[in-house]
Amino acid sequence: ELKVEQNPLFLSMQEGKNYTIYCNYSTTSDRLYWYRQDPGKSLESLFVLLSNGAVKQEGRLMASLDTKARLSTLHITAAVHDLSATYFCAGDSNFGNEKLTFGTGTRLTIIP
Amino acid sequence: DAMVIQNPRYQVTQFGKPVTLSCSQTLNHNVMYWYQQKSSQAPKLLFHYYDKDFNNEADTPDNFQSRRPNTSFCFLDIRSPGLGDAAMYLCATSRSRTYNEQFFGPGTRLTVL
Repeated sequence: ELKVEQNPLFLSMQEGKNYTIYCNYSTTSDRLYWYRQDPGKSLESLFVLLSNGAVKQEGRLMASLDTKARLSTLHITAAVHDLSATYFCAGDSNFGNEKLTFGTGTRLTIIP
Repeated sequence: DAMVIQNPRYQVTQFGKPVTLSCSQTLNHNVMYWYQQKSSQAPKLLFHYYDKDFNNEADTPDNFQSRRPNTSFCFLDIRSPGLGDAAMYLCATSRSRTYNEQFFGPGTRLTVL
């Protein structure tokens, strides 16, 4: 059974700083997904990482996948207040299974 | 724009009074999911449909039922809501097993009095 762990659970950072959220998973997962959730809102898809070495960037966010290390990272560059949200990573349980296993989420607060 | 729609956005019910939440999609996706999310927790999958095939999670209480009358619509029925069922209910869709990016609706916030 796939298990997904994120750290840190909570992260407060100042505007303009860089930081990384880590997502470790327990068994083979071909694909890794990152979602954003604002308070009281639904989940928004950010990145889909489909293969080892995949890197995707959108604005100040960059996600990468290392399937050998079973690790995905979400890197935040020069944080701004608008990035304050909870970020979830999720993996496929196994290839061909249409279910996702979510991590615990990282609540990110950007302090002016 | 193609999207996932949930109604109502807010639902208040009384303890034990049945409630139905609805979800529709214009994405023409094969898979539809229902999640329960409580405060500060990750979404918890209740069940999902792959086309007409229903897949229930082992730990989903019998109190929760679902219907998918056609590709576009899916319903969540809570037969006798308890106080512990107060949560955000999220509907999501994905294209297929081989591409599992899930698209979420705005959610229904359920309050049980």
